Amino acid sequence: AQSVAQPEDQVNVAEGNPLTVKCTYSVSGNPYLFWYVQYPNRGLQFLLKYITGDNLVKGSYGFEAEFNKSQTSFHLKKPSALVSDSALYFCAVRDMISNTGNQFYFGTGTSLTVIP
Amino acid sequence: GAVVSQHPSRVICKSGTSVKIECRSLDFQATTMFWYRQFPKQSLMLMATSNEGSKATYEQGVEKDKFLINHASLTLSTLTVTSAHPEDSSFYICSARDSGASGGRRSSYEQYFGPGTRLTVT
Repeated sequence: AQSVAQPEDQVNVAEGNPLTVKCTYSVSGNPYLFWYVQYPNRGLQFLLKYITGDNLVKGSYGFEAEFNKSQTSFHLKKPSALVSDSALYFCAVRDMISNTGNQFYFGTGTSLTVIP
Repeated sequence: GAVVSQHPSRVICKSGTSVKIECRSLDFQATTMFWYRQFPKQSLMLMATSNEGSKATYEQGVEKDKFLINHASLTLSTLTVTSAHPEDSSFYICSARDSGASGGRRSSYEQYFGPGTRLTVT
């Protein structure tokens, strides 16, 4: 079965400090991993994805994520947090094994608050 | 970029009535669309996979007769909540996967999400 876990419901960080939002995954086969951000009453916005290649993936709004196969992790990072980064962040893995080939499995989400 | 729209963005309906939510892919064709439900401060839960020209595939525990899905064209899927009750109040989000038929270079690995529909049943 495919799944992702976001161990932290809430992350608080001071503006200007680096931020990390954690995600670990469990998949059969090669993982296709994604990060999305959601602002209140809005849909999900794509931040970045890992399919293959470099373990460090750069995405939108200065975010990046590091794929670590040995630790089965895909943590989201940003060197310097902005107040506008405050939102709900979801890690997701795409199922490429089942006959659907399309289904995404989402983590429970991590609420990020950047404190001015 | 890929745009998916949902209409309406917010709807309030009375208990017992039905409400239809539309999901459109505006600049690409989508043979497959997905409907998710999200409760406050919770993750997205996949309700069903909508396939153009065929019946939707529902996740376990989702009532087919209550949540009617129609995917009549390559750019439109609809979700109808029938005989709505207050417990159906939720945030409904659709997503679409580019089928590639439009000839674009959009990644087929991604899903493109709509902005969501906030349903409140009174």
